[in-house]
Amino acid sequence: SQQGEEDPQALSIQEGENATMNCSYKTSINNLQWYRQNSGRGLVHLILIRSNEREKHSGRLRVTLDTSKKSSSLLITASRAADTASYFCATESGSGNTGKLIFGQGTTLQVKP
Amino acid sequence: DAGVTQSPTHLIKTRGQQVTLRCSPKSGHDTVSWYQQALGQGPQFIFQYYEEEERQRGNFPDRFSGHQFPNYSSELNVNALLLGDSALYLCASTSIRTKRGNEQFFGPGTRLTVL
Repeated sequence: SQQGEEDPQALSIQEGENATMNCSYKTSINNLQWYRQNSGRGLVHLILIRSNEREKHSGRLRVTLDTSKKSSSLLITASRAADTASYFCATESGSGNTGKLIFGQGTTLQVKP
Repeated sequence: DAGVTQSPTHLIKTRGQQVTLRCSPKSGHDTVSWYQQALGQGPQFIFQYYEEEERQRGNFPDRFSGHQFPNYSSELNVNALLLGDSALYLCASTSIRTKRGNEQFFGPGTRLTVL
């Protein structure tokens, strides 16, 4: 079963605009991770935020985490055509370093040149 | 440094057949997880292998089984294939022994089509 729900399911923007994707989850977590997938290929890790962190940045990516609302958002600033892909949030829960990820349904992002 | 590799890239089988998919983890990683991704869906956790044993399992039937070898590579076996087993099968590796909370490195996947 899926842990999270992502919103929106699909997003289409112009190059240079910002893209925001949201993820909600159901259970308490150790960390939340965002991944990108191009055209049904392997997933690429983007960023990991731990349950005791509220915000994290990596290049043009900004992730926030609100554990009280069980939600996270991924912001991609100054988007490029190459950012066109599917984006998934994934949560890791349980004691210790489980390495088991529960993924959301994903957001499909299209960036038009 | 090679990343996670998977073979084959594509596979076509018929219902009732058996299939074996292979995965080599990233260098230095000791844990392999397998995921099934149906078209248009997020990946779903099948199981995880560490120290040659199945450590965790998702909600998949016993038709799905696996193995991990001493060199940390892994196989996923699916018996009595069903049409619904058609999916992209992803392998991911990480190191359980390092600090808590790690990114997973994913392979390119094996596209399985069951006719």
